[in-house]
Amino acid sequence: EAQVTQNPRYLITVTGKKLTVTCSQNMNHEYMSWYRQDPGLGLRQIYYSMNVEVTDKGDVPEGYKVSRKEKRNFPLILESPSPNQTSLYFCASSQTGGAFSEAFFGQGTRLTVV
Amino acid sequence: GESVGLHLPTLSVQEGDNSIINCAYSNSASDYFIWYKQESGKGPQFIIDIRSNMDKRQGQRVTVLLNKTVKHLSLQIAATQPGDSAVYFCAENRAGDFNKFYFGSGTKLNVKP
Repeated sequence: EAQVTQNPRYLITVTGKKLTVTCSQNMNHEYMSWYRQDPGLGLRQIYYSMNVEVTDKGDVPEGYKVSRKEKRNFPLILESPSPNQTSLYFCASSQTGGAFSEAFFGQGTRLTVV
Repeated sequence: GESVGLHLPTLSVQEGDNSIINCAYSNSASDYFIWYKQESGKGPQFIIDIRSNMDKRQGQRVTVLLNKTVKHLSLQIAATQPGDSAVYFCAENRAGDFNKFYFGSGTKLNVKP
């Protein structure tokens, strides 16, 4: 089954404790992206990757890092989480970026930073 | 400022009626638009898309209309069903910046039996 898998689904952590949210896709997609979803703000793009070793900032990259060492994986790293990073996070993949390349989203990771 | 937004946060319709969800955008470079459906506890799911050189595109029970003159697009759902209850987002992609996507804040559709 074609899917995007995120782990963990839920995470509560303390300020400053480094964490990684994993994302994996089994569709051989080139393009992957991370979003955060906050009430009233919709989804905002954090980082995206057009292919292995190619990443770029989205609209809200501050406080986040990503890497793309393999095509299927695109982890999101929070080196020093802060409470304003409490949010619902989604990973997505598509064959390419841009038009007419359907994006597939993971189930989401709800992160709480206390 | 530039934005992709929705006119109404919540829309209630009777089962069997048609639903119309609206979205406004302000960037004239917007080139490609997508509608997503998000059910409770799930990630967004692609519904239908349209390019700026088109006015209308139809799918199964859904139609997207694009009016570039007033920078407005709408999603029409025919014969709305309880399973259509969800939050609907529009998203846009801009010419010259096609790796980035900008989402509206969403409209919650409630379908009454």
